[in-house]
Amino acid sequence: DAGVTQSPTHLIKTRGQQVTLRCSPKSGHDTVSWYQQALGQGPQFIFQYYEEEERQRGNFPDRFSGHQFPNYSSELNVNALLLGDSALYLCASSFGRSYEQYFGPGTRLTVT
Amino acid sequence: GENVEQHPSTLSVQEGDSAVIKCTYSDSASNYFPWYKQELGKRPQLIIDIRSNVGEKKDQRIAVTLNKTAKHFSLHITETQPEDSAVYFCAGDTGGFKTIFGAGTRLFVKA
Repeated sequence: DAGVTQSPTHLIKTRGQQVTLRCSPKSGHDTVSWYQQALGQGPQFIFQYYEEEERQRGNFPDRFSGHQFPNYSSELNVNALLLGDSALYLCASSFGRSYEQYFGPGTRLTVT
Repeated sequence: GENVEQHPSTLSVQEGDSAVIKCTYSDSASNYFPWYKQELGKRPQLIIDIRSNVGEKKDQRIAVTLNKTAKHFSLHITETQPEDSAVYFCAGDTGGFKTIFGAGTRLFVKA
């Protein structure tokens, strides 16, 4: 039973560039949430995808966008990268309206 | 807006002692309160959770209590061991769509 997977593991980008991060949910899960975790902070909710639509969004600018595919996998896109976007990006999967979330290992994004 | 405050930010205990971490939440619609443990460089792992219709839940050395009236919930770890050392996060969820995390408590268990 595969858990939540994310790619890539690490990424280095330059200010102004765009990045795409990927997430595959745990087997049987259909909902994917994305979080940004800055160093020494708690995860901050970016948005959640269910049935290929954004169901809920946190306080993040429109530079952050996402997509969910028919197989429930998801992408997080960040445009016009800023130094402050450097963080660990976590995705978490769950089933329907279930509360329990399972996190992936994260993608460490460094913006220089 | 929704907010979850967590205290203390750092906690150091002697092996075998108890550790208590406290959280308060602002959104009265919150009805699910998970606790996560995150070791250095690892993903957050769910260790225990509690729903709003329950006042207390226990799982071996870990227990969580919830006071809905005061909007407080707490994590209690008894007989702490060095492997309990990690960062612990509390969180509040208003219905499966959006989880708000506290800032975290770094727990050190000294052998």
